[in-house]
Amino acid sequence: EIVLTQSPATLSLSPGERATLSCRASQSVSSFLAWYQQKPGQAPRLLIYDASNRATGIPARFSGSGSGTDFTLTISSLEPEDFAVYYCQQRGNWWTFGQGTKVEIK
Amino acid sequence: EVQLLESGGGLVQPGGSLRLSCAASGFTFSSYAMSWVRQAPGKGLEWVSVIYSGGSSTYYADSVKGRFTISRDNSKNTLYLQMNSLRAEDTAVYYCAKAVASHDAFDMWGQGTMVTVSS
Repeated sequence: EIVLTQSPATLSLSPGERATLSCRASQSVSSFLAWYQQKPGQAPRLLIYDASNRATGIPARFSGSGSGTDFTLTISSLEPEDFAVYYCQQRGNWWTFGQGTKVEIK
Repeated sequence: EVQLLESGGGLVQPGGSLRLSCAASGFTFSSYAMSWVRQAPGKGLEWVSVIYSGGSSTYYADSVKGRFTISRDNSKNTLYLQMNSLRAEDTAVYYCAKAVASHDAFDMWGQGTMVTVSS
């Protein structure tokens, strides 16, 4: 099973700041890496698929990069609605998720 | 509007059974793989099972293999999850999710249905 490790566990930032979230895979997943945003009491929302492609309707301030084992989600300038938990997810033989990074208001 | 609506959750005793349903609308249900993903209270996301578009190919996480069965009725645009021999650790919100065409990610999620396994 491919294990995804996200860091940091919590990111404390202010609106307008840049957020950089990391996801590392235990073995190569090529570019089969997605990112989701989840707010309390809501279902996850797909942000990025295939490492760098924004899903439909996702603002340009969200960007993804990386390949192989190291991936990054960047939020260029945090809006108030961006404070949430973010998960990465890979599709190898099966689908697995990282443990999440909480982006909280500083 | 693309929509997924889960139902069937509730309180069940350990060892009991439950069947979840997910009604899909707004897209060609029969063309896409569908999955169940769960989230235990205060925890992260765990993929549970997938069924491909035709319904003949199904896969399960090791944690539910042999106890859960995924199925679909493309004529009714509905996804199912039959859960048997339920354990306390199966307690979670269960989401149905639509896979993108390449199966790499899930681009549409239902609102979730809560399953509580407790005596």
